Amino acid sequence: DAGVIQSPRHEVTEMGQEVTLRCKPISGHNSLFWYRQTMMRGLELLIYFNNNVPIDDSGMPEDRFSAKMPNASFSTLKIQPSEPRDSAVYFCASSLGTATKETQYFGPGTRLLVL
Amino acid sequence: GNSVTQMEGPVTLSEEAFLTINCTYTATGYPSLFWYVQYPGEGLQLLLKATKADDKGSNKGFEATYRKETTSFHLEKGSVQVSDSAVYFCAKETSGSRLTFGEGTQLTVNP
Repeated sequence: DAGVIQSPRHEVTEMGQEVTLRCKPISGHNSLFWYRQTMMRGLELLIYFNNNVPIDDSGMPEDRFSAKMPNASFSTLKIQPSEPRDSAVYFCASSLGTATKETQYFGPGTRLLVL
Repeated sequence: GNSVTQMEGPVTLSEEAFLTINCTYTATGYPSLFWYVQYPGEGLQLLLKATKADDKGSNKGFEATYRKETTSFHLEKGSVQVSDSAVYFCAKETSGSRLTFGEGTQLTVNP
């Protein structure tokens, strides 16, 4: 099992540029989560999907952030335009089923630096 | 409230020392509770979990007991190793499929 796959692993961009982060969940998992981790705010849930449908996006910071899940094996998190305060590590996680008792499996993260 | 509070870090121990990382939570009912570990440069991994009151989760020498009386889920290990150096996150089940995470506690184990 390849686990959750995220790309790119590192991204450096300039303020104002569009950034797209990608995630491939574990095959057969039907819940997908996007998190952001910073020193100041810790680990924050941005949005999660169940069966490709966004269920809760209340953690998305503002309109510059958007997430899609066009099929069960792929999701994107887009920031447009990016700002320096978006610099963080972004994690994708997936789980089997909708019960919170199901373990969430995290990807290795994308380390984003916005200059 | 709907929160998870962990003891502040960082925690620095010598190898073979006893470890306790405190975690308390607020919730209505009896949510499932989790400990996740994050090694340097990696994503979080589930370390152990407990799904009902009085359950004890255990893995790799780590243990945590679900205490509903004190709303706590403290992480313990009898003898830590250098390889246990990581950030440890306590988490609880929230609505739907959500988890609420604590702030994380950095553990450094010196040889």
